[in-house]
Amino acid sequence: DIVMTQSPDSLAVSLGERATINCKASQSVLYSSNNKNYLVWYQQKPGQPPKLLIYWASTRESGVPDRFSGSGSGTDFTLTINNLQAEDVAVYYCQQHYNPPWTFGQGTKVEIK
Amino acid sequence: EVQLVESGGGLVQPGRSLTLSCTASGFSFGDYGMSWFRQAPGKGLEWVGFIRNKASGGTPEYAASVKGRFSISRDNSKGIAYLQMNGLQTEDTAVYYCTRYGSAWVDAFNVWGQGTMVTVSS
Repeated sequence: DIVMTQSPDSLAVSLGERATINCKASQSVLYSSNNKNYLVWYQQKPGQPPKLLIYWASTRESGVPDRFSGSGSGTDFTLTINNLQAEDVAVYYCQQHYNPPWTFGQGTKVEIK
Repeated sequence: EVQLVESGGGLVQPGRSLTLSCTASGFSFGDYGMSWFRQAPGKGLEWVGFIRNKASGGTPEYAASVKGRFSISRDNSKGIAYLQMNGLQTEDTAVYYCTRYGSAWVDAFNVWGQGTMVTVSS
């Protein structure tokens, strides 16, 4: 199984500042035949289902503000939230779908400092 | 509007069975794989399993934690995916969500239902 490890577990960022969340896979999730990373990022607010933010590790889902960006390849990935807004308070998860079992990071809680 | 609606959750005793439904609307259901995830109270997300689309054979895959106890099926004519859960254990207590993924991962994970709560308790 591919183990996904996020860091940090939580972070507090001032409004307007940048939040950076890391996600490390225990093995590569880059599919060589299409050069795509099978890695997505979600945002989840209390009482709500996850919301897809980023797919293919760096492609923003339609309607997601451009302050959210994803980067990385292979085993190391980053979700960056620029100009943090109050509505960005949530838990963020990375998930790989390279191979079943699909696995998640443990989540990173983002709060306002 | 593309929509997924889960139903069938509730309170069930350990060892008993329960079947959840995921009713789809607004898209060509048969063209999509359907997946189930769950989230125990206060915990992170966990993949439960998926069922491939018609073109890929409609076969399922399961997480080790549920393999042999849970079964995923689909009725393409009704636009419904099912999660049959047998031998339920207290650790199966969670909100269960369904989501979709298209061929070549088009429209993957971009629509989720609101979830249905399953509580396993005596």
